[in-house]
Amino acid sequence: QKEVEQDPGPLSVPEGAIVSLNCTYSNSAFQYFMWYRQYSRKGPELLMYTYSSGNKEDGRFTAQVDKSSKYISLFIRDSQPSDSATYLCAMSLGGYNKLIFGAGTRLAVHP
Amino acid sequence: NAGVTQTPKFQVLKTGQSMTLQCAQDMNHNSMYWYRQDPGMGLRLIYYSASEGTTDKGEVPNGYNVSRLNKREFSLRLESAAPSQTSVYFCASRLAGTDMGELFFGEGSRLTVL
Repeated sequence: QKEVEQDPGPLSVPEGAIVSLNCTYSNSAFQYFMWYRQYSRKGPELLMYTYSSGNKEDGRFTAQVDKSSKYISLFIRDSQPSDSATYLCAMSLGGYNKLIFGAGTRLAVHP
Repeated sequence: NAGVTQTPKFQVLKTGQSMTLQCAQDMNHNSMYWYRQDPGMGLRLIYYSASEGTTDKGEVPNGYNVSRLNKREFSLRLESAAPSQTSVYFCASRLAGTDMGELFFGEGSRLTVL
């Protein structure tokens, strides 16, 4: 079993839809939970991160962490064609520990 | 702002040839990483260097070697390339040991082994 599981999709939605992306994990010691966005033929870039449990909102994006269920989510409201990308979840114990990535979910938002 | 710079961006090799992927960062980061990305597999860690002078194996180190040349530079070498090493390679760096330590990636190096 992988430490971090993420449905690779692809996910195709119409413009304006609410998108929900999810990851599950097995290591209850993870403290930092991140979402990276990767456009085609580019390197991933940090989109949002959350420390421990709870929600974090940034514009149209909301990140949620449920440590009791070992489940994290990224919600995108009013999705736009420019949101079309691969979204990778990542987790870490913090400090010098490595980031553990999910497989990434490919999202396509069509006009 | 250069960030993380990788060279070359594209390379075609024949089976058995060797090559080195170069990576440099200008953000004074202490930790550097090499990942490979294959369809459906996500990012898999090949090798990393937590700090200057140290290197460690990641998830898929076989067939690769690394050198942390100095604080800025971290190279990845394929001694005898195999078709299974056809992939997109990403170098990344971060300031580990402080808070979350955001990982910054290069643009990637696309390698094809024939």
